Amino acid sequence: RKEVEQDPGPFNVPEGATVAFNCTYSNSASQSFFWYRQDCRKEPKLLMSVYSSGNEDGRFTAQLNRASQYISLLIRDSKLSDSATYLCVVNQSGGSNYKLTFGKGTLLTVNP
Amino acid sequence: DAGVIQSPRHEVTEMGQEVTLRCKPISGHNSLFWYRQTMMRGLELLIYFNNNVPIDDSGMPEDRFSAKMPNASFSTLKIQPSEPRDSAVYFCASRVTGSTEAFFGQGTRLTVV
Repeated sequence: RKEVEQDPGPFNVPEGATVAFNCTYSNSASQSFFWYRQDCRKEPKLLMSVYSSGNEDGRFTAQLNRASQYISLLIRDSKLSDSATYLCVVNQSGGSNYKLTFGKGTLLTVNP
Repeated sequence: DAGVIQSPRHEVTEMGQEVTLRCKPISGHNSLFWYRQTMMRGLELLIYFNNNVPIDDSGMPEDRFSAKMPNASFSTLKIQPSEPRDSAVYFCASRVTGSTEAFFGQGTRLTVV
């Protein structure tokens, strides 16, 4: 089983649609969780952290289910500018170590 | 702040040549990471340093790859000899202890022909 697994997509949605991405991770000892965004031919950038209680940042909602080792990202009212690859990221280390393991990403295209 | 700075941005080299990639982390950041990204394998962690000390190099593919961090403001990733299968985008990232966010440089696109 891959350490971090995502549906690669691509997802093609119209503007205003709601879209959800899912991710599973294999290491039950993983400490922290994130979604990064990567635009075409650019570097990854942090979109948001994912907390056990779930968290929201504007149109974006992230959820974590530790029992199922499952992470999700929901984007509401999608915009053209949301078109990018969304990377599920897991920190598998504890203490002072910090080992980010990335999924291969899910490609989203929002169409006018 | 200029962010994480990588050089060169693009590198085309012939098989067998030595390649050196450079990274300047954000000032004050004490962790530095080298990643490689390909279509097939996605982003893979090659090695990371805490306070200039290599902590985990289990992702370094083989002895042809080596990384150094002689001081807090500079790191290199060297491939010698290079092979076509090393063609990828190599990213450097840095982070300050206690922060959850790693900041990536713009990457070096390496092509080995």
